[in-house]
Amino acid sequence: QVQLQESGPGLVKPSETLSLTCSVSGGSISGYYWTWIRQAAGKGLEWIGRIYSSGTTNYNPSLKSRVTVSVDTSKNQFSLKLTSMTAADTAMYYCARMGMGRWFDPWGQGTLVTVSS
Amino acid sequence: QSVLTQPPSVSAAPGQRVTISCSGSSSNIGNNYVSWYQQFPGTAPKLLIYENNKRPSGIPDRFSGSKSGTSATLGITGLQTGDEADYYCGTWDSSLSALFGGGTKLTVL
Repeated sequence: QVQLQESGPGLVKPSETLSLTCSVSGGSISGYYWTWIRQAAGKGLEWIGRIYSSGTTNYNPSLKSRVTVSVDTSKNQFSLKLTSMTAADTAMYYCARMGMGRWFDPWGQGTLVTVSS
Repeated sequence: QSVLTQPPSVSAAPGQRVTISCSGSSSNIGNNYVSWYQQFPGTAPKLLIYENNKRPSGIPDRFSGSKSGTSATLGITGLQTGDEADYYCGTWDSSLSALFGGGTKLTVL
């Protein structure tokens, strides 16, 4: 059974870059799309971007200029970098596997990122 | 404001049936599969329905999904208090990005 676990700093200063990693266990990262999704407190889900195990990426147009998603198949991990962080980026960040029909399952438990000086 | 439109809240009594709608356009729902997610407070969303009407293993048949044109519907029968949660629809868009509805809070009265 595939399981995902996010890791990274819980606090980021304004204007700095957020770096998060999602570790995949119980299965190979190869042959799938992997994705990042975030959720501000009390708000809905916002898709950030996805990466195929080969490295092909797609990003949310509203975040595209600030987002980079990468994959390390040797470590069975993929990562998110989000630059120029502001308070508006404060949210729970989830990683998830993306199915062929573009559904998301499973999800990681999420990691809370707060942007504050 | 989400591109996919869901009612902010729905409610029904235990044992009854409720439906949650998700409205989009030809650039998203109209030409792509719809999925549904259930989220309890403080937990990650969970896949409930995928590819419009399929249920993952372990999801009871009280939950159903359908799609017609540019709209989709999640149905829940035999409502239980444990079904109280937020429900989100999701789909793909022609802009090559995933979209979610704004979410619907289900209250079981």
